[in-house]
Amino acid sequence: GAGVSQTPSNKVTEKGKYVELRCDPISGHTALYWYRQSLGQGPEFLIYFQGTGAADDSGLPNDRFFAVRPEGSVSTLKIQRTERGDSAVYLCASSWELEGEQFFGPGTRLTVL
Amino acid sequence: SQQGEEDPQALSIQEGENATMNCSYKTSINNLQWYRQNSGRGLVHLILIRSNEREKHSGRLRVTLDTSKKSSSLLITASRAADTASYFCATDPFSGGYNKLIFGAGTRLAVHP
Repeated sequence: GAGVSQTPSNKVTEKGKYVELRCDPISGHTALYWYRQSLGQGPEFLIYFQGTGAADDSGLPNDRFFAVRPEGSVSTLKIQRTERGDSAVYLCASSWELEGEQFFGPGTRLTVL
Repeated sequence: SQQGEEDPQALSIQEGENATMNCSYKTSINNLQWYRQNSGRGLVHLILIRSNEREKHSGRLRVTLDTSKKSSSLLITASRAADTASYFCATDPFSGGYNKLIFGAGTRLAVHP
């Protein structure tokens, strides 16, 4: 079956602009996670959804970052007033349960000029 | 901040040799997982070891876990050029009740034909 998909695969934007990154999890997965990965580093947790609600958003760096999952499936990560330091690969993952293997999407590479 | 630290940061070996990567972490965990990443994009789950397990095998992979030392190792036997990738350990901390993974910075493995 289809894996986790993310769109766009690449996004180039200018400092100060607003961007939306989309994640389509594996059908039926109730848990959805967003991570951010900078060059040469491991992924860093941003936010976790169980169903429609954000169960833990403690990893969001500041209030410019926001994520939604209105119907418990697709999720959108929104970044306002982008800064050059936001440049990274944004990874989405989903899982069946609250423990175990997470299935990752290919990521969105965000470049803020 | 990242909890895990992988050692070595980079490893270069010949095909057929074994590759060993180590991971240390700081807090108590529910489980520890190893992931593989090609070309800085999506991660692929390799193996999960629970806190009450000491060793686990999957094909050419062998993972050990020492909770008293807060460390784990990943052994890849009879390596192949296709094993070239970055390998990350990720811990599921013993809190929160869900799978909020904390990744290390990874080991970059290069297997030469």
